[in-house]
Amino acid sequence: GQNIDQPTEMTATEGAIVQINCTYQTSGFNGLFWYQQHAGEAPTFLSYNVLDGLEEKGRFSSFLSRSKGYSYLLLKELQMKDSASYLCAVMDSNYQLIWGAGTKLIIKP
Amino acid sequence: NAGVTQTPKFRVLKTGQSMTLLCAQDMNHEYMYWYRQDPGMGLRLIHYSVGEGTTAKGEVPDGYNVSRLKKQNFLLGLESAAPSQTSVYFCASSSGQGSTGELFFGEGSRLTVL
Repeated sequence: GQNIDQPTEMTATEGAIVQINCTYQTSGFNGLFWYQQHAGEAPTFLSYNVLDGLEEKGRFSSFLSRSKGYSYLLLKELQMKDSASYLCAVMDSNYQLIWGAGTKLIIKP
Repeated sequence: NAGVTQTPKFRVLKTGQSMTLLCAQDMNHEYMYWYRQDPGMGLRLIHYSVGEGTTAKGEVPDGYNVSRLKKQNFLLGLESAAPSQTSVYFCASSSGQGSTGELFFGEGSRLTVL
């Protein structure tokens, strides 16, 4: 079966750095997405990785290792507004998105 | 910049009632999707469409029907609502797949079935 694993909840301090991991087992691979979802709101796109390596976008970076079935989202200089759920999703060989359950990130002052 | 608009935002139904959720997008996207989101679970695809006049089943299609008569609209119907269909429903659209597969989501429709 297809599976996406990510931690259920993480806590970090304002101004610090946090890494949210995602491991996957899917039928084929056509890219990995990270989305941010604030409570009661819709998910919004953060990043897309299809090749191995690190993609940096401001305070957020996303890393992919296809051989290990592994990705992480790195958030630097954490702000209170970063408190949200972070969703990992993999596009399989049929271009269908398989979603993880999301990681709830709690930022403390 | 409306993007993706869903109506209604909230609805309470009694078991056995029917209803339709409307999704409209103004980005000329070919692909449209209906997801449900339940606590502790990832987004689950109900139905999707790859273009006007087409629909296809997703992961959890039972109890739902869809139509895509116009490119900009994607309707989700519940013919006979059940308590198991209590959920938050998200519509999304995209211009393509792969690197262009970024999804744009509506604000969500919270449905409660009593």
